[in-house]
Amino acid sequence: AQSVTQLGSHVSVSEGALVLLRCNYSSSVPPYLFWYVQYPNQGLQLLLKYTSAATLVKGINDFEAEFKKSETSFHLTKPSAHMSDAAEYFCAVSDPRDDKIIFGKGTRLHILP
Amino acid sequence: EAQVTQNPRYLITVTGKKLTVTCSQNMNHEYMSWYRQDPGLGLRQIYYSMNVEVTDKGDVPEGYKVSRKEKRNFPLILESPSPNQTSLYFCASSPRRTTYEQYFGPGTRLTVT
Repeated sequence: AQSVTQLGSHVSVSEGALVLLRCNYSSSVPPYLFWYVQYPNQGLQLLLKYTSAATLVKGINDFEAEFKKSETSFHLTKPSAHMSDAAEYFCAVSDPRDDKIIFGKGTRLHILP
Repeated sequence: EAQVTQNPRYLITVTGKKLTVTCSQNMNHEYMSWYRQDPGLGLRQIYYSMNVEVTDKGDVPEGYKVSRKEKRNFPLILESPSPNQTSLYFCASSPRRTTYEQYFGPGTRLTVT
């Protein structure tokens, strides 16, 4: 069975600092991995996804994530945080053999001025 | 504009009074899904549908029903709502399976008293 763990329900970084949001997954087959962002009072929107092509995936708004099979991780990074990045971020894993997707519990990112 | 719409956006109801939350997408997507979002639990899949007349249970289907009579619509039905179904609900659609990006609706906040 698949699972996904996001370390840290809340993360605070200063404006201009590196953003690192952690995601570890469990899957018996090579998974598909996603990061979604949820701004206040909105639905989720896709930041980036890994579907077995390049291990370093670039997304919108300068976010990127690296798939590390040996560490079963898919951490999200951004070199320089902006105030507009304050939101909740969800990592998700999908098994390409079936039609279910499992979301992590989310990490709320706070940007300090 | 390509979008997923949900109605109503906010609903307060009483225990046992049947309700339906509508979901519609205009992107000709095959895959549609319902999620509930609760603090500290992230998103959990309720039901999903691969195509018209094809639906299946997600992780938390108890107390919910769905139907997919048309490709664009995927209503969520609560036959006898209970207070533990108070939550934020999201509908999502995807071109095919969960390996593709999902497009989320704006959410429906349901309160059952």
